[in-house]
Amino acid sequence: TQLLEQSPQFLSIQEGENLTVYCNSSSVFSSLQWYRQEPGEGPVLLVTVVTGGEVKKLKRLTFQFGDARKDSSLHITAAQPGDTGLYLCAGFFYNQGGKLIFGQGTELSVKP
Amino acid sequence: DTEVTQTPKHLVMGMTNKKSLKCEQHMGHRAMYWYKQKAKKPPELMFVYSYEKLSINESVPSRFSPECPNSSLLNLHLHALQPEDSALYLCASSQAPGTGTNYGYTFGSGTRLTVV
Repeated sequence: TQLLEQSPQFLSIQEGENLTVYCNSSSVFSSLQWYRQEPGEGPVLLVTVVTGGEVKKLKRLTFQFGDARKDSSLHITAAQPGDTGLYLCAGFFYNQGGKLIFGQGTELSVKP
Repeated sequence: DTEVTQTPKHLVMGMTNKKSLKCEQHMGHRAMYWYKQKAKKPPELMFVYSYEKLSINESVPSRFSPECPNSSLLNLHLHALQPEDSALYLCASSQAPGTGTNYGYTFGSGTRLTVV
């Protein structure tokens, strides 16, 4: 059974602060995806990382994939209240028929 | 069209009812998925369809019956559910595995199911 450990599970910060969310597994991923989910909606894809050591930037969000493709991080610079939501990492396991398995999620609250 | 459409958005059903959840996409995706999400928890994979064939069933009870009539449609038939089955049911689609590229999933907004 694949297990993705995501931390922290809850994060409450002030506007303008920086934060990092971590996603770790003992398994090697074919790729790793980050999603953001608002209440009552489905997850929305932010980024997919495929190559070990890969770094992708999306405005104030920076995503990194570990060299061994077992871990990833999401760093948000100068957080804004609009960043509030549930952030989910998800590991894709191609050699198991194509499964996308989610971490526990990080509930982020950014206060003005 | 870059959306996954799920209907209905909300459903309340009794434990003896039979109902169906519907999911539709027109992005040409050949893989479609059902996930179940309880409050404050991540989505849990239920079923994977690849090229209209069921490829993964994550040991889901038989009271949940998936169906993929064609490449754009995915249904989830519900029968004799229990109150603990109340959850947000999410449908997603993607390029099928084996196409050489790891694309992300496009999720619908879900069906909020309440079993009474």
